[in-house]
Amino acid sequence: KQEVTQIPAALSVPEGENLVLNCSFTDSAIYNLQWFRQDPGKGLTSLLLIQSSQREQTSGRLNASLDKSSGRSTLYIAASQPGDSATYLCAVGRKNYGGSQGNLIFGKGTKLSVKP
Amino acid sequence: KAGVTQTPRYLIKTRGQQVTLSCSPISGHRSVSWYQQTPGQGLQFLFEYFSETQRNKGNFPGRFSGRQFSNSRSEMNVSTLELGDSALYLCASSRLPETSGGDTQYFGPGTRLTVL
Repeated sequence: KQEVTQIPAALSVPEGENLVLNCSFTDSAIYNLQWFRQDPGKGLTSLLLIQSSQREQTSGRLNASLDKSSGRSTLYIAASQPGDSATYLCAVGRKNYGGSQGNLIFGKGTKLSVKP
Repeated sequence: KAGVTQTPRYLIKTRGQQVTLSCSPISGHRSVSWYQQTPGQGLQFLFEYFSETQRNKGNFPGRFSGRQFSNSRSEMNVSTLELGDSALYLCASSRLPETSGGDTQYFGPGTRLTVL
């Protein structure tokens, strides 16, 4: 059974700092891995998708890496800003028979607070 | 392009009642998934629909059901509501994955269900 863990559960940093969020998963037979952010009381916003054949993806100040063999992914945020404050969720996808997307298995998230 | 929409946004029901939630995916998306989010359990997969067929189902009791229409819109129904069903219910859509590795899931804002 796939389990996804995110450590730490909460993180507080001063504005401008570079930071890394961690995600680990128990079964390396994944289809893809996605990082999301969730603002309080809101839905999820997709940040980055890494397919199982890829090692990393970049978007602006965000960089996500994937190491299937060790069951780890990291999300690197450069030059953090107060607007980055949110809960960051890691989710592992598996392919469903019939070609559909399948379901995502989520970690509990890391709550990030960036202080001005 | 309009995002994923969910109606209603907020709902208050009493134990024993039933409820129907609606989700309209992004235009052109054929896969719709439903998730339940609670503070204790985090995000948990309910079910996935693809081309009007349920392709995947999570570990929830039979009181939770869903369907998808020919225009890809989806509904989920919860019968005989219990206090523990209070949660944020999120819907996500994605395109038919055209390449290996799946596709990004885009989430709606959610429906906040409170059971009294």
